[in-house]
Amino acid sequence: DQQVKQNSPSLSVQEGRISILNCDYTNSMFDYFLWYKKYPAEGPTFLISISSIKDKNEDGRFTVFLNKSAKHLSLHIVPSQPGDSAVYFCAASMNYGGSQGNLIFGKGTKLSVKP
Amino acid sequence: DTGVSQDPRHKITKRGQNVTFRCDPISEHNRLYWYRQTLGQGPEFLTYFQNEAQLEKSRLLSDRFSAERPKGSFSTLEIQRTEQGDSAMYLCASSLRGAGVTNEQFFGPGTRLTVL
Repeated sequence: DQQVKQNSPSLSVQEGRISILNCDYTNSMFDYFLWYKKYPAEGPTFLISISSIKDKNEDGRFTVFLNKSAKHLSLHIVPSQPGDSAVYFCAASMNYGGSQGNLIFGKGTKLSVKP
Repeated sequence: DTGVSQDPRHKITKRGQNVTFRCDPISEHNRLYWYRQTLGQGPEFLTYFQNEAQLEKSRLLSDRFSAERPKGSFSTLEIQRTEQGDSAMYLCASSLRGAGVTNEQFFGPGTRLTVL
């Protein structure tokens, strides 16, 4: 059973508009969430993260929102740029309590930003 | 330090052969992880080390797989008697684990294995 779900395999947006990527999780023990961006033939690149004690974290054009009651997080990219076109992975971990901290990934959403 | 490096980037082998991959983490990172990614999936956890100790193995890691991190620096992942189902991208990641430190893991470029 998948613990981290990204239900949209792909998303297409116009340059300059907002991109919203969604992620749902099932395990309430997850306390740290991360977004990674991946280009073909490269490893995932860390983008932004959020702890479960927060509901929002912002870094430049990227903002992650966490709704713990709904077990849902989203990544907002504003404004979107063609260079943002990549596959985005949501990941979750249990960061405390002696856990190993390995990441559980969703299947990814392919974002295409059209000029 | 320029980040996590992996070698080789690509490996093509015949079924039944043994292969070994190497990962060099970011130098001050004490945790090292191996993941496997197949087409259309996100990375799946295989195993991790804290310093030289291998602390966790996934059920995905069959007895044909073995990993080492002998001096707490670089790590190797060996697959014996490769099968076509082993074809995947093998990713290494490292992180700094400690009090008050969060778990951002930084990935290498991966080794793409093709088993013919």
